[in-house]
Amino acid sequence: QKEVEQDPGPLSVPEGAIVSLNCTYSNSAFQYFMWYRQYSRKGPELLMYTYSSGNKEDGRFTAQVDKSSKYISLFIRDSQPSDSATYLCAMSVPNAGNMLTFGGGTRLMVKP
Amino acid sequence: GAVVSQHPSWVICKSGTSVKIECRSLDFQATTMFWYRQFPKQSLMLMATSNEGSKATYEQGVEKDKFLINHASLTLSTLTVTSAHPEDSSFYICSARVQVFGFSGYTFGSGTRLTVV
Repeated sequence: QKEVEQDPGPLSVPEGAIVSLNCTYSNSAFQYFMWYRQYSRKGPELLMYTYSSGNKEDGRFTAQVDKSSKYISLFIRDSQPSDSATYLCAMSVPNAGNMLTFGGGTRLMVKP
Repeated sequence: GAVVSQHPSWVICKSGTSVKIECRSLDFQATTMFWYRQFPKQSLMLMATSNEGSKATYEQGVEKDKFLINHASLTLSTLTVTSAHPEDSSFYICSARVQVFGFSGYTFGSGTRLTVV
């Protein structure tokens, strides 16, 4: 079993839809949770990060962490074609070299 | 801020030759640089971690003699794929740890697509 599981998709939605992207994990020591967006043939860019449990909102993006369920989510409101990309969740354990463990990525396609 | 510049963005080389990939931190000092490899439709797989002025730490299964990493300064880390073979064709990405997000965040280079023919 992988430490971080993420549905690879592809997830296809119409423009304006609310998108829900999710990751589950098995290591209860993870404390930092991040979402990265990766366009084709580009490096990942950080979208959101949260520490421990809770919600965080930034514009159209909302990140949620449920540590009791070992489940994190990224919501995208009013999705745009420019949101079409692969979304990677990543996690790390504090003071363990801050190594990142990535999910496999979910490919999102927003159709106009 | 916190930009990592990676070059080249793509390279095609003949089998048996060596290829060097550079990552530079433009506006911060990168004491630690991570090198990843990503195959099509797969996630990033950590290859090695380099610290400025010391030897790189390689992940299990990664040949240190094949993937030479040099981190001679706080702003430059290089990955050299030696005696490249077609199976080394992949997308290579560097990442530096930065203390700009209130914790150790990571910023990524734009990646290098290596094709070995």
